[in-house]
Amino acid sequence: SQTIHQWPATLVQPVGSPLSLECTVEGTSNPNLYWYRQAAGRGLQLLFYSVGIGQISSEVPQNLSASRPQDRQFILSSKKLLLSDSGFYLCAWRALGYTFGSGTRLTVV
Amino acid sequence: RKEVEQDPGPFNVPEGATVAFNCTYSNSASQSFFWYRQDCRKEPKLLMSVYSSGNEDGRFTAQLNRASQYISLLIRDSKLSDSATYLCVVTLSGNTPLVFGKGTRLSVIA
Repeated sequence: SQTIHQWPATLVQPVGSPLSLECTVEGTSNPNLYWYRQAAGRGLQLLFYSVGIGQISSEVPQNLSASRPQDRQFILSSKKLLLSDSGFYLCAWRALGYTFGSGTRLTVV
Repeated sequence: RKEVEQDPGPFNVPEGATVAFNCTYSNSASQSFFWYRQDCRKEPKLLMSVYSSGNEDGRFTAQLNRASQYISLLIRDSKLSDSATYLCVVTLSGNTPLVFGKGTRLSVIA
């Protein structure tokens, strides 16, 4: 069966610190993968998506970046976090609709 | 105009009530439509796809009106466990990312 793993579940980071969130998918090959962010009281905002290894499309200019080093691995990174980066980060893979990971709640302090 | 618009609510309804949510989308080329459910502090989960002819899954009925670019979700005999935020989702075909509405919050009250 297909599963998606995302970690950590919760993260508190100081402003200016780096960030690395990892997402892996099992039970499927060459999935379309997505990173979304949901800020408090706001909708889901698409950040990045990838249709294959090394292929990244960025939807919103910001201080975040994404990489896809392996077929079933999608990483979201930042060199220096801002307060405005706080939010609920969700990784998803595309089947009929989306299947989301359980999310990472990031608080930048 | 926003790509996907929903009434944010909240809708506060008693148990057993029937409640309907509406959603409009701006891109007439949209091909696939979904309703997702999101519980507080959890990830969204697919509730149901929306087909052109309308479709039903137990107490839930989804309908699509392409001419008006309008999607609806009807919940009959509301349960306390239906309390959640319901997200309207639209996409073009293929690899195009899904576009989410901001959601409609439902509270079912005993």
